[in-house]
Amino acid sequence: QITLKESGPTVVKPTQTLTLTCTFSGFSLSTSGVAVGWIRQPPGKALEWLALIYWDNDRRYSPSLKSRLTITKDTSKNQVVLTMTNMDPVDTATYFCAHSDPRDCIVGPCYVFDYWGQGTLVTVSS
Amino acid sequence: SYVLTQPPSVSVAPGQTARISCGGHNIGIKSVHWYQQKPGRAPVLVVYNDNDRPSGIPERFSGSNSGNTATLAISRVEAGDEADYYCQVWDRSSDHYVFGTGTEVTVL
Repeated sequence: QITLKESGPTVVKPTQTLTLTCTFSGFSLSTSGVAVGWIRQPPGKALEWLALIYWDNDRRYSPSLKSRLTITKDTSKNQVVLTMTNMDPVDTATYFCAHSDPRDCIVGPCYVFDYWGQGTLVTVSS
Repeated sequence: SYVLTQPPSVSVAPGQTARISCGGHNIGIKSVHWYQQKPGRAPVLVVYNDNDRPSGIPERFSGSNSGNTATLAISRVEAGDEADYYCQVWDRSSDHYVFGTGTEVTVL
């Protein structure tokens, strides 16, 4: 059974750095093909993909936020960490982590987010 | 960057079919995935690879994709289908993941 859970501060001040941890079970991030991603959702707004880290440590970032994001993994602890620098009130959102592995799609192997954490609300306020 | 556009809302009577569109440039050559999200909950994958269903998802959920529009269809709509729905693709050219703008489905 795959589970993921996000943890981190509920409130951060503007200009601070946010560090979120995704702790998971039921799979290993050292297994070929597996990936973990971060997605956020401001209150009342749409989902926004942030970052993804693959089993081989390859990483992808949202182009609009790339300069502020870092995603890392600790395979031995079954954790993925996302840091976001220079937080602003517009970054107030629920942050989700999600499991992904390649599926056979029409266009070739593709990744979908098939298991999600419950999400953690982060408020940016002074 | 690649943009996916959905109608903000769709209303449907119980027992009818809801159709939710997802527009994107040449989306027909991409694999489209759909998520259902109920208030206060994490999204749930309901359709992937245009028209495949994860285990446990009813056959009432189906998808299609051609040209510049992908569509999620929910047949025999039930009150429990009320939720926000998001499409998602992987943009191969940029190796980035993109979500649509989201559609709120209301069951009348």
